[in-house]
Amino acid sequence: EVQLVESGGGLVQPGGSLRLSCAASGFTFSSYAMSWVRQAPGKGLEWVSGISGSGYSTYYADSVKGRFTISRDNSKNTLYLQMNSLRADDTAVFYCAKQNGDYSEFDYWGQGTLVTVSS
Amino acid sequence: SYVLTQPPSVSVAPGKTARITCGGNNIGRKSVHWYQQKPGQAPVLVIYYDSDRPSGIPERFSGSNSGNTATLTISRVEAGDEADYYCQVWDSNSDHLFGGGTKLTVL
Repeated sequence: EVQLVESGGGLVQPGGSLRLSCAASGFTFSSYAMSWVRQAPGKGLEWVSGISGSGYSTYYADSVKGRFTISRDNSKNTLYLQMNSLRADDTAVFYCAKQNGDYSEFDYWGQGTLVTVSS
Repeated sequence: SYVLTQPPSVSVAPGKTARITCGGNNIGRKSVHWYQQKPGQAPVLVIYYDSDRPSGIPERFSGSNSGNTATLTISRVEAGDEADYYCQVWDSNSDHLFGGGTKLTVL
């Protein structure tokens, strides 16, 4: 059974940093691209960042480019999102999602972790 | 950049058919995926590659895609289908892109 479990969310001040983690199990982690998708309170889904199975290729939404860094440790079956220079409009539930292919659907999602940016 | 347009809300009586659209320029040339999200829960994939259903998704859920509109069709709607529905595509300029979402209300 595929499981994705996010952690690391919390309250952070504007300009601060936070690192999210996503522990994966139930599939060959290194064979699949992964992404982070966020959802601001009461709003829709927004893709944030993606990474290839090897970790060599990374992709970012314009809204986070230069501030967020996605990475993965295939030996630990874990996906990360380092978030710097956080702003109030980064407040959202962050989901990690498994991709069935590099440019295809998100077939499994974690339960999400809430990031609140506020002073 | 590419834009996906969904109606904010759709209402349907139980047992009837709901159709949720996703508009985009020549979206028929792209692969469209659909997600269902119930309050307080993570999204769930219900249709991928325009019309394929993941295992465990009822046959009542179907999809089509042509021209400038992709459609998610839910037949014999049940109260448990009430949720937000999002379409999603991959675009070379926008990477993964979601529509704004449609709230399905079962009357």
